[in-house]
Amino acid sequence: AQKITQTQPGMFVQEKEAVTLDCTYDTSDQSYGLFWYKQPSSGEMIFLIYQGSYDEQNATEGRYSLNFQKARKSANLVISASQLGDSAMYFCAMREPSTGNQFYFGTGTSLTVIP
Amino acid sequence: SQTIHQWPATLVQPVGSPLSLECTVEGTSNPNLYWYRQAAGRGLQLLFYSVGIGQISSEVPQNLSASRPQDRQFILSSKKLLLSDSGFYLCAWRRKYYRVPNYGYTFGSGTRLTVV
Repeated sequence: AQKITQTQPGMFVQEKEAVTLDCTYDTSDQSYGLFWYKQPSSGEMIFLIYQGSYDEQNATEGRYSLNFQKARKSANLVISASQLGDSAMYFCAMREPSTGNQFYFGTGTSLTVIP
Repeated sequence: SQTIHQWPATLVQPVGSPLSLECTVEGTSNPNLYWYRQAAGRGLQLLFYSVGIGQISSEVPQNLSASRPQDRQFILSSKKLLLSDSGFYLCAWRRKYYRVPNYGYTFGSGTRLTVV
């Protein structure tokens, strides 16, 4: 089974609108970490936001927030007030202690912000 | 502050030729080091990781190899490239001792390899 599932290969959003990128995960660990990375066309992977499995509040970093629903095993990324520079690939990832703190990445969602 | 350098940025190599990609980390010691490959339009595939000098773990059997001759140097190599080796290669490092909760990867800028 896939550890991380991102079901949206591509998404479009109007500039200044909010967008949600979906991510579901699969683990039996009680303690784990969830991450979102942004990969612009230049290729570099940029860390955006982190959510610990025991964190009671959803993580927020500026315009990024993580909608964490533990029972549903989902960790959706919400980008508010989209900007043209947000156009990129977005990857959800999970750190799983039971597998030696290995990271598992989803296949990514390509976000295009339309002016 | 910590930085990670990866080179070259782009590379076009003929089938059967050797490969050497280098990655170095500055500003930290004894990091965990990783090589990932990303095929066009795909996610990241972990190729190798290293927890110390000379310690290499391979995740995917292939004609690639990795070496860690120094604490902060990680090299990806091949003796004979295949067409299927084309892709985007990313080096990454991560802290070994987790003192902060969001201990994720820091990635290099990547190498775009095209085997022709």
